[in-house]
Parts: sequence; structure tokens; C-alpha cells
Amino acid sequence: NAGVMQNPRHLVRRRGQEARLRCSPMKGHSHVYWYRQLPEEGLKFMVYLQKENIIDESGMPKERFSAEFPKEGPSILRIQQVVRGDSAAYFCASSPVPGQAVQQYFGPGTRLTVT
Amino acid sequence: AQRVTQPEKLLSVFKGAPVELKCNYSYSGSPELFWYVQYSRQRLQLLLRHISRESIKGFTADLNKGETSFHLKKPFAQEEDSAMYYCALYGLVGGSNYKLTFGKGTLLTVNP
Repeated sequence: NAGVMQNPRHLVRRRGQEARLRCSPMKGHSHVYWYRQLPEEGLKFMVYLQKENIIDESGMPKERFSAEFPKEGPSILRIQQVVRGDSAAYFCASSPVPGQAVQQYFGPGTRLTVT
Repeated sequence: AQRVTQPEKLLSVFKGAPVELKCNYSYSGSPELFWYVQYSRQRLQLLLRHISRESIKGFTADLNKGETSFHLKKPFAQEEDSAMYYCALYGLVGGSNYKLTFGKGTLLTVNP
């Protein structure tokens, strides 16, 4: 099992462009979580998804951010019209069963830099 | 609101010395607490959780509800313990959603 995969590992975007971050959960896992880590901060929950469903998006900024987890393919975190403040490390985690209290398996993260 | 505080950003000890990474939390209910670790060039992984009361790689952590703490301890640090350690709390936020809240992390360096 290759573990949770995220790509790209590093992404550079200019202000106003779109960023797409991908996460492939571990085999057999159908629950995906996205976290954001700003410089000097801890990981902050953004969204929890199951296949084709957003379960909890209470940590997502109200504008420009969206997430999906289609029936086929990876989960996508999309940031439209990026700004400098979006520069951060974005981590994806997956679990085999529902709920955040169970062990989550983390990906290596995508480091987004907005210039 | 739930909050996790790791007061030490950096902690440096010598090999063989005891180590304690501090974690304090703020939460009104009964929390579930975890320690995650990230070794250099590796991904974040679960180290231990308080409900299992286990010792992993020689580390233990006891939940102290009176002091609202969940400090991570190891009696004899090893160089391979050098890593970033995150304390995390799973609890109800906003009355309706459960969240995993992370502290800012402590970078442990074990010197030879």
C-alpha cells in the first residue's frame, strides 16, 4: 500500500491564478480530510469528504475554496484567484472508517507558494 | 472553543536524557488526545493516543484532566527521536461538528 499520495508536492502560482491540489487516499479508504498549515502554525482542519459527499466543510474559507471527492479519481482541493495569504502547506489525510477520532493517515503535503 | 497549546517551539536534549514535550488543552467536555510525529522528510504519523494507554517507541503520555495536560515523556531520549511533535485534540466544535485540532508543534532535537 503506497499510502496517501498528494500531488504536486510543490506548486507555485501567481496571484489571481487557480491552484488544484490532488489527494489519493490509501487503498480501501473512502474518507478524506484536508488540513492547511500556515507558517509557524499548527494544522487546521478545512474539510471532510466521503465519496461524492462533503460531510463537513466548516473549516473552509467561504470564498475561492472548494473541494470534491468524486466517485472515481482523487480528491481535489481547488483554490481560485489565489492570494499571497494562501501560501501554506496543504495536507490530506484518509481513514477507512468515519469520524476524525480514528487514526488518520497523512499524505506528504503540497506546499503552495503564491508569488 | 477547543485549543491546544504546545508552549515550546524548540526542545533540545542530549542522548540518554529524559524528555518531556508539553501539551495543554482547553476543552469543556471529555477530550480525546493524540500525539503525532513527523520525522525529517517523512509524513505526519500517529504516535499514540490517550485512550489506548500504550507506550510507543518508549514514549508515554498521560491525560491529566485536572491540569488539562497531555505531556509526552520518554525517560531516555535517542537520536532517532529527533522530529517535529504535534499534540492534537478531537472534540466538539461549535456544538455540532467534531474536529481534530492541532497544536503548533515542538521540534525535538536529540544531540549525541
